[in-house]
Order: sequence, then C-alpha cells, then structure tokens
Amino acid sequence: AQKITQTQPGMFVQEKEAVTLDCTYDTSDPSYGLFWYKQPSSGEMIFLIYQGSYDQQNATEGRYSLNFQKARKSANLVISASQLGDSAMYFCAMREARSNDYKLSFGAGTTVTVRA
Amino acid sequence: DTGVSQNPRHKITKRGQNVTFRCDPISEHNRLYWYRQTLGQGPEFLTYFQNEAQLEKSRLLSDRFSAERPKGSFSTLEIQRTEQGDSAMYLCASSKGQLTGELFFGEGSRLTVL
Repeated sequence: AQKITQTQPGMFVQEKEAVTLDCTYDTSDPSYGLFWYKQPSSGEMIFLIYQGSYDQQNATEGRYSLNFQKARKSANLVISASQLGDSAMYFCAMREARSNDYKLSFGAGTTVTVRA
Repeated sequence: DTGVSQNPRHKITKRGQNVTFRCDPISEHNRLYWYRQTLGQGPEFLTYFQNEAQLEKSRLLSDRFSAERPKGSFSTLEIQRTEQGDSAMYLCASSKGQLTGELFFGEGSRLTVL
C-alpha cells in the first residue's frame, strides 16, 4: 500500500509568490516523522524540514513551513517568496518508529518550476 | 564533515555485464541505506546496514543484487548480469540512527544499461 501520496506531478509558480505542495500519508503507527527533501536537476537529495507526529507546532525552516494536519494525515510544504533556485523536484517522506530500520518511504514527488 | 560520497557518478554498461557502486558514508554514521530511483519517481528502498550487518532487504533486490559493508565503513552494491530494467539512479544515504534525524544522501550513481 502506498504510504505517501503526492498528487501534484508538476506546478508552476511566479517568482516571489508562495507555493503549497500537497502530501498525504498513511500509517497506523502513533509515532512517526515526516520529512521534505528537494532534488535539483543535479540529483542530490537536500533535506528541508522535519515534523514529528507528537510535535504540537508546525515546523518552520526559513522560507519553508510544514502545514501539519494530523487528523487528515496531511503534511503540506509551503515555500514562501519563491526564488528561481527553488525550481526542483520535491519529495515528501515518512519514517515509522515501529520499524527499527528508520528508513524513509518516499512519495512520487512534485516538480516545481519557478517563473521569472 | 565531507558528506556522503558515491562513485562512479555515471556508469554505462552493456546488458549482461556486472557493475559495482561504492558508497562512503559520513564517518560517524552507523546506518547506511541504498535506494533506487527511476526517472520521475521517488526513491525506493533497497537495503540497509547497521554497522556491518545487513538487516533488511527489499523485495526489489533480486538475486542479481548484492550489497556489502565490510568493517561497517564504506558499502558496495553489485549488480550481476545487468538488464535494461536496472537503469536507474542508485542513491546511498547514511544516518546516526536517530528517530528524528534525517538521512544524508550522496549525489547518486546513475546506471544506464544498453
């Protein structure tokens, strides 16, 4: 069963505007973590932001914020004030605490293109 | 902290040949992961090591794939008798094994099987 669903294959955003990338997840584990990664065309996976299932507040890191809605099993990424360098593929990922391997399960990703 | 290093970055091979990829994790990280990523998709888990022990293998890892991590440092991923379907980016990641900690990824090794 798919654990992470990203329904937007691609999005266009105007420079300096905000963009929201959707992510829904599926788990029965009460303890889990949600991650967002950026993958530019060069290929490296860059960690952006983390949200724990027990965190009371939404995570923020600079221009990145995570809109965490636990009851809806949703963890959307918001990028504010988009820059041309934000053009990349973005992946949502989850780690379940009960699996001691601590591996991440990834969604299919969303391609973001920032227009000047 | 030199980051996770992978080589070769690119490999083109003919069907039926064997290939080997190497991953050097961040030195204090005891966990090492291999993922495979095909074009336009998210990374898919292949296998993981805790120190030198290979503790989990995905069903994606057929008998033609083997991974090792001797002495718990670098790791190798070998693909024998390559097939065109093996063409993908092979990503290595490492971590300290903390629940809240992110995986640190290398730049990947891109395999093209002709």
